[in-house]
Amino acid sequence: SQQGEEDPQALSIQEGENATMNCSYKTSINNLQWYRQNSGRGLVHLILIRSNEREKHSGRLRVTLDTSKKSSSLLITASRAADTASYFCATDARSNYQLIWGAGTKLIIKP
Amino acid sequence: DADVTQTPRNRITKTGKRIMLECSQTKGHDRMYWYRQDPGLGLRLIYYSFDVKDINKGEISDGYSVSRQAQAKFSLSLESAIPNQTALYFCATSGVAGGEQYFGPGTRLTVT
Repeated sequence: SQQGEEDPQALSIQEGENATMNCSYKTSINNLQWYRQNSGRGLVHLILIRSNEREKHSGRLRVTLDTSKKSSSLLITASRAADTASYFCATDARSNYQLIWGAGTKLIIKP
Repeated sequence: DADVTQTPRNRITKTGKRIMLECSQTKGHDRMYWYRQDPGLGLRLIYYSFDVKDINKGEISDGYSVSRQAQAKFSLSLESAIPNQTALYFCATSGVAGGEQYFGPGTRLTVT
């Protein structure tokens, strides 16, 4: 069973524009994480936001978390061609700390 | 050198064959995980281990087994491979429960 669901499934934007992707989840969490996966490769951790945090920044990344709506968003500002990848959210359920993964958003940055 | 390595990187095998995928890590983490990834489905947890003596089934353990040979090594076996086990397999480690996970490059397995 999947905890997180990303929206949209795919997103294509021009280089320099901002990209926003969303994640919804079902149960109470300790934290929510975002990862990037370049085509067919291993996932790379981007950012972790705890359940008591509402917003977090890392470079061009901004993550928000709304626990009342059980949702999170990832904003990538001033996108670059190198940002082309799939982005996954993962939540760790309070019951067992295992990460549950969404199906991902495929982001394409057009030059 | 990569912190988490997986061998082989690609493997084609026939139905009914036994196959082992290996994972090694230099992070010094106790927690290790095996996931499979299918197109459009994200990652699903097969097995996880919190230390050498602690191994647990994940969401989709049927048809798989694991061995934790040492803190740094965690192997996944398919006892009798079947075509619907064709997928991308990832090993990962973490230092704390529920924390950031570090992934290997993946093994692309095809069962014909």
